Amino acid sequence: EDQVTQSPEALRLQEGESSSLNCSYTVSGLRGLFWYRQDPGKGPEFLFTLYSAGEEKEKERLKATLTKKESFLHITAPKPEDSATYLCAVQANNAGNMLTFGGGTRLMVKP
Amino acid sequence: DAGVTQSPTHLIKTRGQQVTLRCSPKSGHDTVSWYQQALGQGPQFIFQYYEEEERQRGNFPDRFSGHQFPNYSSELNVNALLLGDSALYLCASSPRPTGELFFGEGSRLTVL
Repeated sequence: EDQVTQSPEALRLQEGESSSLNCSYTVSGLRGLFWYRQDPGKGPEFLFTLYSAGEEKEKERLKATLTKKESFLHITAPKPEDSATYLCAVQANNAGNMLTFGGGTRLMVKP
Repeated sequence: DAGVTQSPTHLIKTRGQQVTLRCSPKSGHDTVSWYQQALGQGPQFIFQYYEEEERQRGNFPDRFSGHQFPNYSSELNVNALLLGDSALYLCASSPRPTGELFFGEGSRLTVL
């Protein structure tokens, strides 16, 4: 059974204080690993897809990296508007486009 | 270009009732998936529809059923509602059954 575990569950940062979110996974053949941002009461917003170990992708203050067992979402010099829940999900080779999600990391950035 | 649209945005039902949620996929997308997200948790896969048929199903009881119409829009039906069915129901569309998912804003269901 595919599993995704995210840590920490919650993270409070001061504006400008860089940090990383972790996503550990087990999957029977990884097709892709996805990062989404979700604001309260809203649907997940796509951020990145990573397909193979060693791959990195960047978008503004966010950088996602992937190894064979985990992914990191690095946040550099965060701003209050980066406050949200960040969701990690895996897609297995034999599962169509079904996503298995982790529980998310709730990020709060204080000014 | 309209994204994925869902209706209603919020609704309140009582135990034992039935509910129907609706989803219009993003333009150009023919595959629709439904997810349930309980408060404070990640979304859980319910099922996927493609070519008007259920193609994949997650670990949900038969009380959860769906339909896809020829215009690719979809409905999620839940019968005999339980308190535990209270959640945000998310619809996601993709350009093919293995394509990238784009989510709607969700329908918030509260069961009293």
